Amino acid sequence: EVQLVQSGAEVKKPGESLKISCKGSGYTFTTYWIGWVRQMPGKGLEWMGIIYPGDSDTRYSPSFQGQVTISADKSISTAYLQWSSLKASDTAMYYCARPSAAGKVPSAFDYWGQGTLVTVSS
Amino acid sequence: EIVLTQSPGTLSLSPGERATLSCRASQTVSSSYLAWYQQKPGQAPSLLIYGASTRATGIPDRFSGSGSGTDFTLTVSRLEPEDFAVYYCQQYGSSPGTFGQGTKVEIK
Repeated sequence: EVQLVQSGAEVKKPGESLKISCKGSGYTFTTYWIGWVRQMPGKGLEWMGIIYPGDSDTRYSPSFQGQVTISADKSISTAYLQWSSLKASDTAMYYCARPSAAGKVPSAFDYWGQGTLVTVSS
Repeated sequence: EIVLTQSPGTLSLSPGERATLSCRASQTVSSSYLAWYQQKPGQAPSLLIYGASTRATGIPDRFSGSGSGTDFTLTVSRLEPEDFAVYYCQQYGSSPGTFGQGTKVEIK
């Protein structure tokens, strides 16, 4: 069974750093993209970026380029989303998601993590 | 970047009625790489339709997708109580894989 299990909720102060995780299981981690999606409180879904763990090929939305870093450790089947200096506007739910098709082909997100709520407040 | 515009923002309907949701792209979505997702409160989104018209595994046939190019439609033929939710379209043919802003289907 394919599963994406995300790390737990975080409460941070502005300026702090943070790294959240998404562990994949039940499939070959290196052969599927993993994407990150932001949902601010009461708002819609925003595509942040995507990584192919097999070769660490990473693509970012222009809106998030330079604001976050996406990485993966294929030895432990885990993808990461990190911030070096959080802002209050980073408060949101963050989802990881995996497409249905293997390889570097366009594919919709068929599997989703449960979400990680990040709250940034002084 | 392809911008997706969904309409209407909110659809107020009764159970048993037909729902028609629109998603318009700012440029052609290549190879109909267009998906629809459903999101219920407190839950992660779930995939309904991919390739503009192919239902994902386990999705009932009251959900159907159509369209190509820049205009796409999600139709729910007869709304069940569990279908009241927010629906998002997403294009995944070019990076970044943008989402529409969502359509809320609420009980009238």
